[in-house]
Amino acid sequence: SAVISQKPSRDICQRGTSLTIQCQVDSQVTMMFWYRQQPGQSLTLIATANQGSEATYESGFVIDKFPISRPNLTFSTLTVSNMSPEDSSIYLCSVGDGKAETQYFGPGTRLLVL
Amino acid sequence: KQEVTQIPAALSVPEGENLVLNCSFTDSAIYNLQWFRQDPGKGLTSLLLIQSSQREQTSGRLNASLDKSSGRSTLYIAASQPGDSATYLCAVRGGTTSGTYKYIFGTGTRLKVLA
Repeated sequence: SAVISQKPSRDICQRGTSLTIQCQVDSQVTMMFWYRQQPGQSLTLIATANQGSEATYESGFVIDKFPISRPNLTFSTLTVSNMSPEDSSIYLCSVGDGKAETQYFGPGTRLLVL
Repeated sequence: KQEVTQIPAALSVPEGENLVLNCSFTDSAIYNLQWFRQDPGKGLTSLLLIQSSQREQTSGRLNASLDKSSGRSTLYIAASQPGDSATYLCAVRGGTTSGTYKYIFGTGTRLKVLA
């Protein structure tokens, strides 16, 4: 299994500012995933972050808005740039178990943009 | 495009009842299916993972079945308890256009078990 921590756990931000969310895993993983969960909605994949290469973004998400870093096999950051109230969501980091393919999730970062 | 739907959206039952949560998906070419539990203000916890070649998985009071050809999965909870109250999410991995690593999540079922 994998234990994932995220920072911050929650934040309230002003429109137009940016927030960087950190994700730390207790083991080395090849692929890390960033999801968004808007209020009352299910999870939507934002991008997949591989160490040593640029992140792969899903349709509707762009690097300028959600830049991602993956400096090593245990850490990743997601930045939400130039925030608007529509960015208010829970952002979750996730990794897969290479053997069992079970997906593990961090506790999430609750973001409120005013 | 893979789409995942869960029925019912919400469910309220008295303690001790057996219950069934349903999940359907449109593209049967999946790699696996996973059921998660989400508690308010917390992340997701994996409950059961079913590979595409399997028909069911069991863990304690939970049993998940998979009928890939019909695009359906069910999560059976036996002898429900107030501690089972949470949102249950179904997610499928793979599909004709989704690739083998991407999970598509359902809309979730909010379960409340009354004491």
